[in-house]
Amino acid sequence: GAGVSQSPSNKVTEKGKDVELRCDPISGHTALYWYRQRLGQGLEFLIYFQGNSAPDKSGLPSDRFSAERTGESVSTLTIQRTQQEDSAVYLCASSLYRENTEAFFGQGTRLTVV
Amino acid sequence: AQTVTQSQPEMSVQEAETVTLSCTYDTSESDYYLFWYKQPPSRQMILVIRQEAYKQQNATENRFSVNFQKAAKSFSLKISDSQLGDAAMYFCAYRSARNDKIIFGKGTRLHILP
Repeated sequence: GAGVSQSPSNKVTEKGKDVELRCDPISGHTALYWYRQRLGQGLEFLIYFQGNSAPDKSGLPSDRFSAERTGESVSTLTIQRTQQEDSAVYLCASSLYRENTEAFFGQGTRLTVV
Repeated sequence: AQTVTQSQPEMSVQEAETVTLSCTYDTSESDYYLFWYKQPPSRQMILVIRQEAYKQQNATENRFSVNFQKAAKSFSLKISDSQLGDAAMYFCAYRSARNDKIIFGKGTRLHILP
């Protein structure tokens, strides 16, 4: 695709429900990143993928958070039993692997837990 | 683990003046890449400038330039002839050349005063 696409753009969910956030990277980009951005704050690293493997999951805040990637393409970030502190914008980015190129970002998914 | 620090949460500059945003990082790696991203209110992350660690020459892009001091692990961004459209959050980012992980600083909010 022309750019990184994230869906949904906005999600309101009730506390305790599970949510899935989707990221479609730029075609051919083997590296894919997930970040969390709370209101007015910086980008908090969650997880990244090289191909379909996740070498570093150290940023996932708790075992309620998980992510997967298939076909070296689409990735899904799942948050189980959502809590109000999970409310944030979740940003996805993709990049070529082992290249000095920037990561290209999607518009993010704004998650609100009520 | 690598860290990126931006010590200025907010800055203001008069239109047409010059402003410098600070960034320091910590790493034990010798090969890496550094980036400055801009995030306007639209939330879209936009690359401003990039620097390869093996290059001694400071990168420049029109009104934007960096002062890269590898020994000091410092990577500041200078914006010349500031314009109203430069108002945004600015994030410094570090990309490992070993494993492609990208981490960000907490950001500096830049205000442009007319």
